[in-house]
Amino acid sequence: AQRVTQPEKLLSVFKGAPVELKCNYSYSGSPELFWYVQYSRQRLQLLLRHISRESIKGFTADLNKGETSFHLKKPFAQEEDSAMYYCALKGLNTGFQKLVFGTGTRLLVSP
Amino acid sequence: ETGVTQSPTHLIKTRGQQVTLRCSSQSGHNTVSWYQQALGQGPQFIFQYYREEENGRGNFPPRFSGLQFPNYSSELNVNALELDDSALYLCASRTGQGPTGELFFGEGSRLTVL
Repeated sequence: AQRVTQPEKLLSVFKGAPVELKCNYSYSGSPELFWYVQYSRQRLQLLLRHISRESIKGFTADLNKGETSFHLKKPFAQEEDSAMYYCALKGLNTGFQKLVFGTGTRLLVSP
Repeated sequence: ETGVTQSPTHLIKTRGQQVTLRCSSQSGHNTVSWYQQALGQGPQFIFQYYREEENGRGNFPPRFSGLQFPNYSSELNVNALELDDSALYLCASRTGQGPTGELFFGEGSRLTVL
């Protein structure tokens, strides 16, 4: 079974502090992992994917197959990072674009 | 370039009724999928349509059905509504050749079943 777990419903930090949003997954094959973000009054949008191995808006995420984790990190949080973050998984052998989402973590960055 | 648009934005139905939700894909996108997002949960995959055919389905009963039209717009139909069907329904589109996993979401249709 495919499952994504985000253990924190809310993460509250001060501006300039490091941020780590946790994501663990369960999948028997080789997954593709993604982070989606929803800013206030905006639609859900892709933030980054593990295959690209890129940094978007200062965020990075490394796929750790041993720990089955895909944590999202940023060294210095900004107020504009406040949003709802969803970790999502897609099975590599899935021909269609079914994404399995976690329950999300709300990040609140205070001044 | 217009994004994914959904209608209606909000609606209220009673148990046992039927509902149709509509979605216009982003320009150039031929693949559309629907997700259900219950309060406090992440989106859950209902099904996907590609070139007017359903080519993938999640763990939802047959009373959830869909259509995709030649212009790639789409409908989600839910029959015999139940209280647990109350949720935000999200439509997402992509091109067949786009990067895997990159979905473009609409703002959703919030359904309340009384």
